[in-house]
Amino acid sequence: GQQVMQIPQYQHVQEGEDFTTYCNSSTTLSNIQWYKQRPGGHPVFLIQLVKSGEVKKQKRLTFQFGEAKKNSSLHITATQTTDVGTYFCADYGQNFVFGPGTRLSVLP
Amino acid sequence: EPEVTQTPSHQVTQMGQEVILRCVPISNHLYFYWYRQILGQKVEFLVSFYNNEISEKSEIFDDQFSVERPDGSNFTLKIRSTKLEDSAMYFCASSMGNQPQHFGDGTRLSIL
Repeated sequence: GQQVMQIPQYQHVQEGEDFTTYCNSSTTLSNIQWYKQRPGGHPVFLIQLVKSGEVKKQKRLTFQFGEAKKNSSLHITATQTTDVGTYFCADYGQNFVFGPGTRLSVLP
Repeated sequence: EPEVTQTPSHQVTQMGQEVILRCVPISNHLYFYWYRQILGQKVEFLVSFYNNEISEKSEIFDDQFSVERPDGSNFTLKIRSTKLEDSAMYFCASSMGNQPQHFGDGTRLSIL
């Protein structure tokens, strides 16, 4: 079946540093959704990407969908302690396949 | 802002027993979902529900599981003959079709 992979699994950064997580699929992605889950919390929707090569920005967050629709990335500029959590990508296709997530720690 | 609510927040059950997890989706949403997250692991899709029937289900969602919308507001997940490995956080979500899914706070299921 389809596999959605994310790297890195963990990332520790100093506050103010940038952070990027990469999402890769073994098959062509239908639509990509990105979610953030704070420790002890539930996934919260961040963005949906639909078109090949699409780039969307939300303040310090930049989301990109690969040209071949087999990968996506989330980049955070100048991380803050409030960015702490696990970032999941999910393929919104026939089923919803979540990646394993990247757990971000931000050291003040 | 409307929320998805789940009850109970924590359920402790003896192995072999049946459990029912309850969810109240956002009132004007039409699509309902159940997910499972084993501690420290990724979110796993179980099932989606639309128009009073299952629209998609994963390999995890076998005969041990069932879903129901018994009335106009509740959406339930029943797990029969629970096993130790069913211990996890179970999230309910709802959406308006091809729109963001809104997740509830989850029910932590502990099987003893």
